[in-house]
Amino acid sequence: EPEVTQTPSHQVTQMGQEVILRCVPISNHLYFYWYRQILGQKVEFLVSFYNNEISEKSEIFDDQFSVERPDGSNFTLKIRSTKLEDSAMYFCASNYLAYGYTFGSGTRLTVV
Amino acid sequence: GESVGLHLPTLSVQEGDNSIINCAYSNSASDYFIWYKQESGKGPQFIIDIRSNMDKRQGQRVTVLLNKTVKHLSLQIAATQPGDSAVYFCAENMRSGAGSYQLTFGKGTKLSVIP
Repeated sequence: EPEVTQTPSHQVTQMGQEVILRCVPISNHLYFYWYRQILGQKVEFLVSFYNNEISEKSEIFDDQFSVERPDGSNFTLKIRSTKLEDSAMYFCASNYLAYGYTFGSGTRLTVV
Repeated sequence: GESVGLHLPTLSVQEGDNSIINCAYSNSASDYFIWYKQESGKGPQFIIDIRSNMDKRQGQRVTVLLNKTVKHLSLQIAATQPGDSAVYFCAENMRSGAGSYQLTFGKGTKLSVIP
């Protein structure tokens, strides 16, 4: 069964550093998403991406965040200057017609 | 305010019993709902979904019921097994003003199965 693949599984970074989280969505999917989950809390929407542009973003997705689909297979989330409160699990998801979401296993980001 | 929420944060059931996990939503325009299972350290795993034109949908050992009148969603797990122990989230697929969709998750119910 096709999977959404995320790397790395765990990233530790110093506060103020830039991080890039990587995702390989399912190949024929058209819509791509990033969600995050702070420990013990619910999963929160960050951003959706379609046709090479952001289609929707939440208030969490401020100027420190950016997304990119650099090569037709990868989908990345960049945090420019990490803060302690950015520590969370970050999930990538994709789907074909805005239904039937498939989630990756997540990247645990720890900001120290 | 939160669009999707859960009535109970934790649920303990005896192995072999049936489990019922509930969820309330507030957006009557939502047309698609999903139940996810999340095990520790893993991403949300799809269990079952239902569209708003249906009241009930059955899968293998799982049933989702949708009551649009009271905006309530439930997940029933038959013959609960230890492997069912996890956090269960309902999610509501909402269309935004910009025309795109996004999932709004509830807080989750932790299901513990007692052997």
